[in-house]
Order: sequence, then structure tokens, then C-alpha cells
Amino acid sequence: GAVVSQHPSRVICKSGTSVKIECRSLDFQATTMFWYRQFPKKSLMLMATSNEGSKATYEQGVEKDKFLINHASLTLSTLTVTSAHPEDSSFYICSAVDSPRGSNYGYTFGSGTRLTVV
Amino acid sequence: QKEVEQDPGPLSVPEGAIVSLNCTYSNSAFQYFMWYRQYSRKGPELLMYTYSSGNKEDGRFTAQVDKSSKYISLFIRDSQPSDSATYLCAMTYNQGGKLIFGQGTELSVKP
Repeated sequence: GAVVSQHPSRVICKSGTSVKIECRSLDFQATTMFWYRQFPKKSLMLMATSNEGSKATYEQGVEKDKFLINHASLTLSTLTVTSAHPEDSSFYICSAVDSPRGSNYGYTFGSGTRLTVV
Repeated sequence: QKEVEQDPGPLSVPEGAIVSLNCTYSNSAFQYFMWYRQYSRKGPELLMYTYSSGNKEDGRFTAQVDKSSKYISLFIRDSQPSDSATYLCAMTYNQGGKLIFGQGTELSVKP
């Protein structure tokens, strides 16, 4: 089945630094990827939709200059948290859409990245 | 009002019980409905996928969609301790479009 690899699984960074999270589709091409943020015991909050070769579409209230998304190839999207602050500490998850396959439409999720800003 | 409402629980049941999880939604334009299971600190994994109204069964899991009532359900039969996780409903307007998630229900199955 489709596999999405997300790295790193956890990262601790100092306040003011930037952190890059990678999301790779390993065995399929993903024209669209989504980035989510999840707080403890809360649901997934969509941050942005990333389409290969074009600018990401951000959800209302998400700072595009703070959360930089790049989808330069059909298998890789990156999320960079710039000038991180403790309030950016969260669980970030990516999801990739592959081509329809039968009745299972193919939203495959990465395993998530636990970001802690100290 | 949120687009998708889901009781966050927590829900605790004994092993072997039938579990019923539900979501309601407000937008009749949703066409594709999914249930995901998420273990702590992991990404969600797809359990069930349904297009439009109807029932779908896969092993111990049954998904139901009632578009007239804007209501979806997931039933788990013969629940096992390994089913303990957070269950999220999700839906979208069009294939490949962004998913809208419910809040997630935390389920605990006690041995």
C-alpha cells in the first residue's frame, strides 16, 4: 500500500530557530499534500494544502510567512517553521493524496513530527 | 457551529462490547466519508471509506452514512483492548480535496 514517510519524528529546537519537516511519498506520486497540526487530545487542524509546483493554499489564521511550505517534486513536501516560539510546539502531520484506487481514495498520513520549542 | 461534530468521549467499554461512534455534520455537500484510527503520537490510519449514503462492512467494523440526517456511524463488534485509540471521522466534498475532521473520540477497551 501507499506509504508516506515523515521526518523527523521528533525535534527539539531553541526559540528563534527554524525547523524543517519533510514528508515523502515512497511508492506513489502525490500531486497534493496536506499539512495538519494537532494539539494534545484535539483533532487535526488543517494548516495548508500543498500542490506540486505551485504555491501552497493556507487556511484562515495560519501565518504563511511563519509556516513555509514547499512542494518542489511529486514525492516531497516540506514544512519549515520559521523563528519558532514555544507556542509553535505541537504535533505536525502530513497527508498525501494518490490516484484513486478502487473505493479507497488514498489519503495516506505520515507518522507525525513532535516539535518542542524551548 | 463546527462543520463536523464528534463526541470527544472518553469512552470506556469492556472487552467484547459493541462500540458505536458517531459524527454529525452540517454541510450536505460532503460526499466522501472516512473513519480513521489514531494511536497516541502516531499518524491516523484509514479504517473505513464510504461514498455517499449506505453501509460498509469490513471484518469487525461497519460504517454507516445517512446523508438525509447528516449522520455517520462506525460500529466495532467484539471490541478488543488493541482497539483502544482515538477514532476520527473525516469527510470531504470531492475526491482528493481537503478532509474535514471531527474532534475525535478517545476509546478505551478494558480487558
